[in-house]
Amino acid sequence: SAVISQKPSRDICQRGTSLTIQCQVDSQVTMMFWYRQQPGQSLTLIATANQGSEATYESGFVIDKFPISRPNLTFSTLTVSNMSPEDSSIYLCSVEARDSYEQYFGPGTRLTVT
Amino acid sequence: GESVGLHLPTLSVQEGDNSIINCAYSNSASDYFIWYKQESGKGPQFIIDIRSNMDKRQGQRVTVLLNKTVKHLSLQIAATQPGDSAVYFCAESDTGRRALTFGSGTRLQVQP
Repeated sequence: SAVISQKPSRDICQRGTSLTIQCQVDSQVTMMFWYRQQPGQSLTLIATANQGSEATYESGFVIDKFPISRPNLTFSTLTVSNMSPEDSSIYLCSVEARDSYEQYFGPGTRLTVT
Repeated sequence: GESVGLHLPTLSVQEGDNSIINCAYSNSASDYFIWYKQESGKGPQFIIDIRSNMDKRQGQRVTVLLNKTVKHLSLQIAATQPGDSAVYFCAESDTGRRALTFGSGTRLQVQP
């Protein structure tokens, strides 16, 4: 399995500001994903981020609100833009193993918007 | 740490008993399934997976059963331990799309 780290681990932000979350993997992976987990809820896919192409967003998520970068095979960022209290969630990145469909998750970034 | 799944269905078992956690999925095109364990304040941890060409797969103390006819997945944990206490999620995907769709989760509480 891959070792995945996320920065920051948590943050408290004011409404109207933006936060960029980083996801670093210890090996090269093709498929990376960003998920959101709202308080008391399950995980919802935000977008699929593949290196060398634009991220593919799920219904209800748009690039202007959640811009994603994927500059190489070990790193990605998710920005939460113009935040509101409704954006308070845990944001998680995941990667697909190179030789299987198994997906592994980072520890998450706990965002609180006041 | 922050609690996850405050209003999830809860399964309470005695230490040493076997646990069965159930999951219904909706997409008949799904051909790959994963069970995750999520402890408070942590990201989901991969437990076991199964492809749609199988109906049973065993790991260490865990077994996943897949019934494609009724679109049902279950996770069996043998000799449940206090360290098994967590929220468990099933997830499905099709191997073309690769992204996961998660179930709503079940909280497992193991009583010593």
